[in-house]
Amino acid sequence: DTGVSQNPRHKITKRGQNVTFRCDPISEHNRLYWYRQTLGQGPEFLTYFQNEAQLEKSRLLSDRFSAERPKGSFSTLEIQRTEQGDSAMYLCASSQGTGVRNTEAFFGQGTRLTVV
Amino acid sequence: KQEVTQIPAALSVPEGENLVLNCSFTDSAIYNLQWFRQDPGKGLTSLLLIQSSQREQTSGRLNASLDKSSGRSTLYIAASQPGDSATYLCAVRPPPRMGGGTSYGKLTFGQGTILTVHP
Repeated sequence: DTGVSQNPRHKITKRGQNVTFRCDPISEHNRLYWYRQTLGQGPEFLTYFQNEAQLEKSRLLSDRFSAERPKGSFSTLEIQRTEQGDSAMYLCASSQGTGVRNTEAFFGQGTRLTVV
Repeated sequence: KQEVTQIPAALSVPEGENLVLNCSFTDSAIYNLQWFRQDPGKGLTSLLLIQSSQREQTSGRLNASLDKSSGRSTLYIAASQPGDSATYLCAVRPPPRMGGGTSYGKLTFGQGTILTVHP
């Protein structure tokens, strides 16, 4: 296991289409995060899983967005009815933690979404 | 709401110079602070993690300091090289919420400093 893996690396879609991204975290990590990054900005938090439970969602995550982590391993992020404003880099990160203790976060290479 | 600011937004230096990148945060109640590097179109690579109880961390030519009470961190890069050219991001992690909470590990990022080291 060499790190956090994200697929696809790039996705171009037409406005109104649905897209799904996948994240495979580092295998022993129980915590998984999705972030969104637009050009020239730092990443912004979207949602967080501990094992299979989605414990927090940002207000940025509109009802068109849904994330799952069905078996506490890989996660998917789906965007329905994509809009041009959804164009961004979607980053996944994972870490290992128990209670308040948390290791450093490791990020994947991201999925670059372009909505045309 | 935590806000993280990085100064300068961009920095261009000749090879060999020592340089300092600055990060400030508005809420000093943090759990830890992490510095990342991001190459164009790529994900983030973790450089250094400083716990709130620590003052500094070192890795090779990199040294990060933390002054939690004043809400500041600096990343010092010694003897810069063209390969150091990238965007450098700092991020803070909040402490657990009073009465328990679920935001373990959620990071708030600055907008980054774009570093160019020219030969």
